[in-house]
Amino acid sequence: GESVGLHLPTLSVQEGDNSIINCAYSNSASDYFIWYKQESGKGPQFIIDIRSNMDKRQGQRVTVLLNKTVKHLSLQIAATQPGDSAVYFCAENESNDYKLSFGAGTTVTVRA
Amino acid sequence: EAGVAQSPRYKIIEKRQSVAFWCNPISGHATLYWYQQILGQGPKLLIQFQNNGVVDDSQLPKDRFSAERLKGVDSTLKIQPAKLEDSAVYLCASSPAKNIQYFGAGTRLSVL
Repeated sequence: GESVGLHLPTLSVQEGDNSIINCAYSNSASDYFIWYKQESGKGPQFIIDIRSNMDKRQGQRVTVLLNKTVKHLSLQIAATQPGDSAVYFCAENESNDYKLSFGAGTTVTVRA
Repeated sequence: EAGVAQSPRYKIIEKRQSVAFWCNPISGHATLYWYQQILGQGPKLLIQFQNNGVVDDSQLPKDRFSAERLKGVDSTLKIQPAKLEDSAVYLCASSPAKNIQYFGAGTRLSVL
């Protein structure tokens, strides 16, 4: 099943179920958002991005939803696999600024 | 395409010693970033270069940290002298344009 709620630092998911990872941002001027995946001992890996003129974007097994009204971002992973176990970070920036501001991260653990 | 290369992967030093990290960005990427990632937290930007010029070093502790990118390609980050609280993973990232940043595997520094 899905796990939906406020931002949580950890998320445990049964293999094959869908995952939802939440992120709240504070900068109203942010207009670009990115999700990164970081496996143990590795650097963050780009997953998917979305601009503020969109509210949904889909990739391979992943979907990002953006709610600008409440400044909330979510990443949905379909049919979660053991290889999805990692820390997931959301990051934001303003289009005139190269800088990314990262959230605290959510650790996803996939149960076999 | 080769990714962002960083060395060394691990470094253990005693406090008050000096240490240097090296980064080779993806070929053609004009923008290079150094981040500090403390265990359990998201990456925090230390310094950003555009070619060989510094764009933002507002979060760099300049009394002990320094960085350079002399020829607009490779970069080094130095800490002198190191403190216990500098123990972290130091990530290098590069970007061809605004927004998407590609990260190296990082250097894990332990200060004893």
